[in-house]
Formats: sequence, structure tokens, C-alpha cells
Amino acid sequence: EAGVAQSPRYKIIEKRQSVAFWCNPISGHATLYWYQQILGQGPKLLIQFQNNGVVDDSQLPKDRFSAERLKGVDSTLKIQPAKLEDSAVYLCASSDFYSTDTQYFGPGTRLTVL
Amino acid sequence: GNSVTQMEGPVTLSEEAFLTINCTYTATGYPSLFWYVQYPGEGLQLLLKATKADDKGSNKGFEATYRKETTSFHLEKGSVQVSDSAVYFCAPPGNQFYFGTGTSLTVIP
Repeated sequence: EAGVAQSPRYKIIEKRQSVAFWCNPISGHATLYWYQQILGQGPKLLIQFQNNGVVDDSQLPKDRFSAERLKGVDSTLKIQPAKLEDSAVYLCASSDFYSTDTQYFGPGTRLTVL
Repeated sequence: GNSVTQMEGPVTLSEEAFLTINCTYTATGYPSLFWYVQYPGEGLQLLLKATKADDKGSNKGFEATYRKETTSFHLEKGSVQVSDSAVYFCAPPGNQFYFGTGTSLTVIP
């Protein structure tokens, strides 16, 4: 079974530029999560999707971050414009609708904002 | 609300040493408890879980027992290996989406 795929693995941009990350969850997983993990900290949930609907986006900085999951499968997280403090690893995870306590994480995208 | 207090790191052990990483929790009721592991350069993986009091979760030689009398879920392994070097997260009960800073473990040969 293929795992959660993310791309790119690394991205370096300058502040005020835009960036987008892509995630393809495990086939059949209805729930998809985006996390931000700043160096030395634990992951922080940014947004949770159930199919193509948003379940929780309370910690998503909506003035600059946006996410979509248009067809209920893969998802894109965008930052526009980026700030220095956005430097982090962005993790995507997915879970089965009936077993949401087991999340499967992708390898993450490491973003560096200069 | 539900929360955890996890032992701070970093922890450095020699191979074959005994490992304990302490985790205590506060919770309403008796929710499931989880330990996650993050190997270098990877995302998190669910290491083990326990769904009710007195349950013991186990995986890859790691164990943790859900103890309601001491509100603890300490992670233990009898003999660590170099490959166990990672960051370990005790997830808040009932809501595993809010992680603490974790405990970094380095095992030296």
C-alpha cells in the first residue's frame, strides 16, 4: 500500500513570495490533515478535511494560508505571501473515516523562507 | 481540558540500556492515549496506543500502560537500539492533533 505522498520535499523562497505544497493521501482515506512543525516543536494542526469539506481550520492563519481539497482526494496548501516565521516542515497526514485515531503521515515539505 | 506533561529531553542512552519516557495526563473521562515517534527526516508514526484504563499498548519492543490511578502513560523499552533514535511524542488524550515538543532520544553504540 502506497503511503502519503508530498511534494516538493524541500523549498527555499524569499519572504513575500508565494509557495504551494501538494499532498496525495492514502487511497480511500477520507480525512486529510495539514500540520506545521517548526524546528524543535511538535506538529501543530493547521487544517483538517473530511472528504472535500473543512472540519477544523481554527489554527490556520487565514490572512496568508489557504488550503483546498477540491475532489476529496489530493490537497494543496498555499502560503501567500510568506514570512520568515513560516519556515517549518509542513506535514500532511490522512486517516480512514472509521479509524481517525490512526493517522498516517507523509515525509513532509521543508520550507525555508529567507 | 485534556493535556499532557511529557518528560523533557534530550535523552542520551547507550545501546541495550533501559528507556523510560514519562508522560502524565489530565483528562475528562477515560479517553484513548497515544505515543507517536518521529524518525529523522520523516513524518510521525503511531507507535502504540491504549484505549482504556489498565490497557497496555505495545509495538517494536516499546510498551506503555494506561494507569488511571496515577494518570500516567509512561513509555518503556527494555533494551534500546541505535535505530530507536528519534523524537517521541505523547499525544494529549482524546485529541491527538495537538502535540507537545516531544522527547528526543539518542542511542549511542
